[in-house]
Amino acid sequence: DAKTTQPTSMDCAEGRAANLPCNHSTISGNEYVYWYRQIHSQGPQYIIHGLKNNETNEMASLIITEDRKSSTLILPHATLRDTAVYYCIVRVDTNFGNEKLTFGTGTRLTIIP
Amino acid sequence: DGGITQSPKYLFRKEGQNVTLSCEQNLNHDAMYWYRQDPGQGLRLIYYSQIVNDFQKGDIAEGYSVSREKKESFPLTVTSAQKNPTAFYLCASSMKTGSTGELFFGEGSRLTVL
Repeated sequence: DAKTTQPTSMDCAEGRAANLPCNHSTISGNEYVYWYRQIHSQGPQYIIHGLKNNETNEMASLIITEDRKSSTLILPHATLRDTAVYYCIVRVDTNFGNEKLTFGTGTRLTIIP
Repeated sequence: DGGITQSPKYLFRKEGQNVTLSCEQNLNHDAMYWYRQDPGQGLRLIYYSQIVNDFQKGDIAEGYSVSREKKESFPLTVTSAQKNPTAFYLCASSMKTGSTGELFFGEGSRLTVL
């Protein structure tokens, strides 16, 4: 699976939109972009995933560039509970591709009151 | 409610003792996984199982053992052969067919070897 690059840390003011970037310049045509987050001392939580179209759910929006070499996770109205480490992962979406997921060090997002 | 339950949440053991961490899921998922996380680091895959009575080594399986006798259960044993067992251990599961790739994680077990 392709590797990803994320900033080590970011701050965002409470109530503002948090935009978390991810570079995946070696992504293949059949690889999806996944985002998870991990609140301190808990298990990671799935947020969203996409292939090439932008996606939105109740938690966040995922914007993928046309060349698919980068993406941005958007938390539209950040709250203090969004403080967490956010992981961007790319993988082929097969029935048993989860063992190939690589959770790197992610981006530590801190929401400032 | 459906989910994954790990126990114990905190565990202290003396060096040289084997320790077994429990992981139970009631999501009817076929696949289960064990990860290890060290402070400030990402997750590393220890073992995974795609079906009952079958499991595969992950990236850091040495010093660990697992079993998958029931679909709901995937216990991890940290043996005395594991050189640096103090860590945060996470269990996860996912569906087999029609999978979005979503992993469901437990709350984790923090093991400290004294």
